[in-house]
Amino acid sequence: AQSVTQLGSHVSVSEGALVLLRCNYSSSVPPYLFWYVQYPNQGLQLLLKYTTGATLVKGINGFEAEFKKSETSFHLTKPSAHMSDAAEYFCAVKNQAGTALIFGKGTTLSVSS
Amino acid sequence: NAGVTQTPKFRVLKTGQSMTLLCAQDMNHEYMYWYRQDPGMGLRLIHYSVGEGTTAKGEVPDGYNVSRLKKQNFLLGLESAAPSQTSVYFCASSYGGQNTDTQYFGPGTRLTVL
Repeated sequence: AQSVTQLGSHVSVSEGALVLLRCNYSSSVPPYLFWYVQYPNQGLQLLLKYTTGATLVKGINGFEAEFKKSETSFHLTKPSAHMSDAAEYFCAVKNQAGTALIFGKGTTLSVSS
Repeated sequence: NAGVTQTPKFRVLKTGQSMTLLCAQDMNHEYMYWYRQDPGMGLRLIHYSVGEGTTAKGEVPDGYNVSRLKKQNFLLGLESAAPSQTSVYFCASSYGGQNTDTQYFGPGTRLTVL
């Protein structure tokens, strides 16, 4: 069965610093992986997704993620954090039946000036 | 193009009361989903639908019922609310069931059961 583990429920960085949010997955089939962002009091918005092909995926707002099959990881990065990046981030994997997403528990990103 | 909308945005219920949450999408999507979000738990799938007139159980379906009478609407019902159902509920939709399909989320409904 598919599952997702997000390491670190809360990450704090300074403005301009590197952002690294960790996600590891478990899947018995080739995984389809997603990162979503949730700003306060809003719904979830897709940041990026990995389907097949290039393992480095670029998303919106300068975020990118790299699919590493050998490490079963799909970590999210951004070279330079902005105050506006403060939000909750969710990693997700498509379930085996392809009918729904399985979400991690989320990581709250705080950005300080 | 409003995307995915949810009604109501907030609701307070007493234990034992019933209510229906409405989700509507104007993107002609086939698939629709109901999730609940609880602190430290991420989002968990309650029920989903792969097309008009069809529904299926997700990870946490107990205490909820759903209906998809029209393609654009997906209703989530609580027949007898319990405090454990206090949560934020999100509806989502996607074009189809392809693994690459993106799910689009509504703004959420915050439900408190006293």
